[in-house]
Amino acid sequence: QVQLQQSGAELVKPGSSVKISCKASGYTFTSYDMHWIKQQPGNGLEWIGWIYPGNGNTKYNQKFNGKATLTADKSSSTAYMQLSSLTSEDSAVYFCARFNYGGLAYWGQGTLVTVSS
Amino acid sequence: DIQMTQSPSSISVSLGDRFTITCRASQDIGNYLSWYQQKPEKSPKLMIYRATNLEDGVPSRFSGSRSGSDYSLTINSLESEDTGIYFCLQHKQYPRTFGGGTKLELK
Repeated sequence: QVQLQQSGAELVKPGSSVKISCKASGYTFTSYDMHWIKQQPGNGLEWIGWIYPGNGNTKYNQKFNGKATLTADKSSSTAYMQLSSLTSEDSAVYFCARFNYGGLAYWGQGTLVTVSS
Repeated sequence: DIQMTQSPSSISVSLGDRFTITCRASQDIGNYLSWYQQKPEKSPKLMIYRATNLEDGVPSRFSGSRSGSDYSLTINSLESEDTGIYFCLQHKQYPRTFGGGTKLELK
């Protein structure tokens, strides 16, 4: 069965960077886009972008250009998202997710990033 | 960006009631619309894809429909396990955009 296992919660300082991971299993990692979504406490969901691990192609929400960098390691079936120049506005839960047919059918459990000095 | 205007933002419903959530798209998105349920501290769960298709394992009391630029999720005969927050997502254009969410509580 498809599983997406994300890395654990992070407490990071303002101005720093953080890299969170999403390890995929149960399917051919290189054949599907991996999407990343942001959810701030009490707020809705924002789509950050996707990466196609097969060739490394990416597509970003312009709002996250310069903030998020998506990469993937085919050898470990793991997708990564690095967030840079962190501020309190980046404190959120971040999800990785994969489409199946016409919807995001598979989700990681979420990674809480807290930006605080 | 395509705006997905979701209504209502919250509602209290009685067990056994019928309930409808709507997302209105600011531009044409065809049937590239899906619905999600999210429980507290959990990841969203896909309920409906391509506007009208029930995801495997989702109870048949859930259904999706479309009328022009309005997309609806209907729950027939609400059960206690249906509480949570519901979101729509359009994936016709970039950036993908979500509706603002509907919090469904029991009355």
